[in-house]
Amino acid sequence: DVKVTQSSRYLVKRTGEKVFLECVQDMDHENMFWYRQDPGLGLRLIYFSYDVKMKEKGDIPEGYSVSREKKERFSLILESASTNQTSMYLCASSFQVGNRGTGNTIYFGEGSWLTVV
Amino acid sequence: LAKTTQPISMDSYEGQEVNITCSHNNIATNDYITWYQQFPSQGPRFIIQGYKTKVTNEVASLFIPADRKSSTLSLPRVSLSDTAVYYCLVGDGLWAAGNKLTFGGGTRVLVKP
Repeated sequence: DVKVTQSSRYLVKRTGEKVFLECVQDMDHENMFWYRQDPGLGLRLIYFSYDVKMKEKGDIPEGYSVSREKKERFSLILESASTNQTSMYLCASSFQVGNRGTGNTIYFGEGSWLTVV
Repeated sequence: LAKTTQPISMDSYEGQEVNITCSHNNIATNDYITWYQQFPSQGPRFIIQGYKTKVTNEVASLFIPADRKSSTLSLPRVSLSDTAVYYCLVGDGLWAAGNKLTFGGGTRVLVKP
């Protein structure tokens, strides 16, 4: 089974703190994603990475950065947490279709609930 | 990525069949249609994927008409545990630079006893 593991399930941080959310996948996927999910707003893409050290902005990148130093690991960084970043954060991964000949199946982690006070 | 439209919510009863239709009028030739299920406080999980006609697995069936401008997820004989949000996603799977994977709002299915 594909496993996407997010390091923290629940976090409480103070405004202005630097926050790291870590994600690891064990399927040698090229692509990794970070989403946030808020009530009534569905899943919104923050950042996307298609290779080591490569990243692309999603729909809501402001206030976030990412790091992908190794293929299996994708980190989301909140440089200075704010209360409007209180949310559930979801990491996901997938193969690139061109390499694997499969459809666009992506696999999600269990989510990290971040509260900024 | 093709834009998708789904109903916001649906109610059903245990033992009934639930059908959720997703519209994707601008689906491209290389696009697949994938459905995900999400329970509260969990990440979405893959249910089923198809390109055309009908696909069936142990969880659901996916019906795709010839023009591929819509698709219908069918959940047979639902139980209370099928209460979840269901997302339809359409894309060519070419997750290269510039291709963003964006989910729509999903359909909230409530199964009642």
